[in-house]
Amino acid sequence: AQSVSQHNHHVILSEAASLELGCNYSYGGTVNLFWYVQYPGQHLQLLLKYFSGDPLVKGIKGFEAEFIKSKFSFNLRKPSVQWSDTAEYFCAVNAGGGSQGNLIFGKGTKLSVKP
Amino acid sequence: NAGVMQNPRHLVRRRGQEARLRCSPMKGHSHVYWYRQLPEEGLKFMVYLQKENIIDESGMPKERFSAEFPKEGPSILRIQQVVRGDSAAYFCASSQAGEVTQYFGPGTRLTVL
Repeated sequence: AQSVSQHNHHVILSEAASLELGCNYSYGGTVNLFWYVQYPGQHLQLLLKYFSGDPLVKGIKGFEAEFIKSKFSFNLRKPSVQWSDTAEYFCAVNAGGGSQGNLIFGKGTKLSVKP
Repeated sequence: NAGVMQNPRHLVRRRGQEARLRCSPMKGHSHVYWYRQLPEEGLKFMVYLQKENIIDESGMPKERFSAEFPKEGPSILRIQQVVRGDSAAYFCASSQAGEVTQYFGPGTRLTVL
């Protein structure tokens, strides 16, 4: 069965620090990969996604993620965080190849950025 | 361009009552997904529907839960005889036909007293 692991439950950073949130998945076939963000009191918003092609994906708000197939990883990065990045971040995967279907989510990582 | 709409945003029920959660997909989207988020947990898939069809209900509890997406109107997630363990945030997502990316609504927070 597919699963997604997010290693950090809660990350606390100061503004301007660099961010890397880990995400590993278990699935043997082609996958579609997503990062969603949930700001306090708001709904999930899509940050970025990877289906195929260049494994370095750029998303909104300066975020990027790198797909490393050999490591089954899709880590999220941002060079310099801001207080407004305080939110919960979810990694998700579904079976690739254009198939629609359910997303498997990690448990999420809460990011707190200190001003 | 309205996003995915869910209502109510907050719902309080006593044990044994019924809960009805509604989801209107984004305009042009014909696929709806329901997820449940328990405290300190990620979202768990419940059911995937197209208009008038249930495509995948592998995540739905076997009893008390049902979902529909009629030809007209919103998708409904129905929970009969609610119990305290049903307290959670329920999120709906939608996608276009042939598209993988899902867009989420604001969720309904169900509290069972």
